[in-house]
Amino acid sequence: GQQVMQIPQYQHVQEGEDFTTYCNSSTTLSNIQWYKQRPGGHPVFLIQLVKSGEVKKQKRLTFQFGEAKKNSSLHITATQTTDVGTYFCAVSGGGSQGNLIFGKGTKLSVKP
Amino acid sequence: ETGVTQSPTHLIKTRGQQVTLRCSSQSGHNTVSWYQQALGQGPQFIFQYYREEENGRGNFPPRFSGLQFPNYSSELNVNALELDDSALYLCASSPPGQGVEQYFGPGTRLTVT
Repeated sequence: GQQVMQIPQYQHVQEGEDFTTYCNSSTTLSNIQWYKQRPGGHPVFLIQLVKSGEVKKQKRLTFQFGEAKKNSSLHITATQTTDVGTYFCAVSGGGSQGNLIFGKGTKLSVKP
Repeated sequence: ETGVTQSPTHLIKTRGQQVTLRCSSQSGHNTVSWYQQALGQGPQFIFQYYREEENGRGNFPPRFSGLQFPNYSSELNVNALELDDSALYLCASSPPGQGVEQYFGPGTRLTVT
């Protein structure tokens, strides 16, 4: 079945440093979504990418979808302590109503 | 907040027992998906309900079952609980269609002893 590999599993950064997480698939994706889960919380939708080579920005967050639509990245510039959490990529599982297949996530910790 | 609510928040059960978890979807959403999230893992798709019918199922045994009601709220039932069923159970509602954003509830933390 559909799988997505996400790296790294953990990232520890000093506040102000940049952070990047990568999501890779062996098959071409129709779209990819990114979610953030704060410690003790639930996943919260960040963004969806659909087009080949698409780049979207949300303040300090930059999301990219690869040209071949097989990989994606999330980059955070100048991390803050509020960025702490686990970032998941998720792809459509193929069901008619769009269930999601999640990566294992990248857990970000930020040292003040 | 998403408007998706789940109950109860926490639950402790004994191996072999049965449990029912509940979810109220966001207004206007007719699709509800259930996910199991073990500690340190990503959410795993259990099944999805659309207009009161099961509309897709992940790799979970039949002892995981569900219902969706006319008001689109949903239940997840798990029979013959096993220790490995201990996890956070997440409900997500969404409008119909593929590739749409899912709105997650706060989850139910189930502990099986």
